[in-house]
Amino acid sequence: KAGVTQTPRYLIKTRGQQVTLSCSPISGHRSVSWYQQTPGQGLQFLFEYFSETQRNKGNFPGRFSGRQFSNSRSEMNVSTLELGDSALYLCASSSLRTGGLSNEQFFGPGTRLTVL
Amino acid sequence: SQQGEEDPQALSIQEGENATMNCSYKTSINNLQWYRQNSGRGLVHLILIRSNEREKHSGRLRVTLDTSKKSSSLLITASRAADTASYFCAMALENQGGKLIFGQGTELSVKP
Repeated sequence: KAGVTQTPRYLIKTRGQQVTLSCSPISGHRSVSWYQQTPGQGLQFLFEYFSETQRNKGNFPGRFSGRQFSNSRSEMNVSTLELGDSALYLCASSSLRTGGLSNEQFFGPGTRLTVL
Repeated sequence: SQQGEEDPQALSIQEGENATMNCSYKTSINNLQWYRQNSGRGLVHLILIRSNEREKHSGRLRVTLDTSKKSSSLLITASRAADTASYFCAMALENQGGKLIFGQGTELSVKP
């Protein structure tokens, strides 16, 4: 099976702009989660989608949003970018079943976002 | 903070030696997972241990879990230079679906 893919791999934006990142999960995986990784805060959970519904949300401002399509592909959007949004954004997919146990997650290579 | 704590933050050893990393957490968990990350790339899943398990092995990896102390340890035996990476523990909380709470990580350097 192909792994989790994320596009683009690198992105440079300026403050105030918005950005959309894309994630294609492993075929058959219905759960997609997003994480932000920075040197200062480490890995922080953004949100999780399962069957096009947001199941969980982390402690991020409303500028961070996401969605999942019927084919399980997911996008996250960050509006009004700030310098502090510079980070590695990681997407992970899982074969988690509805209400089931949290199985291992498969991570994509990440999108490196730089905000100038 | 819900984040797990890992120690040591950094560990430098010689090839062939064993490496032990520890993780502590604060809340009840469904399972605990360990991941490896090379140079700011994506994370690779190493091993998952459920809350009703105490020890698990996978190749040169051994993970223990003590839910009474809310702690886990990852042991890598006979380390190799290729094991150089950052290692993270991640807690799957009860009734939280696929959400993982990550520790701050241990940076392991294995010198040839």
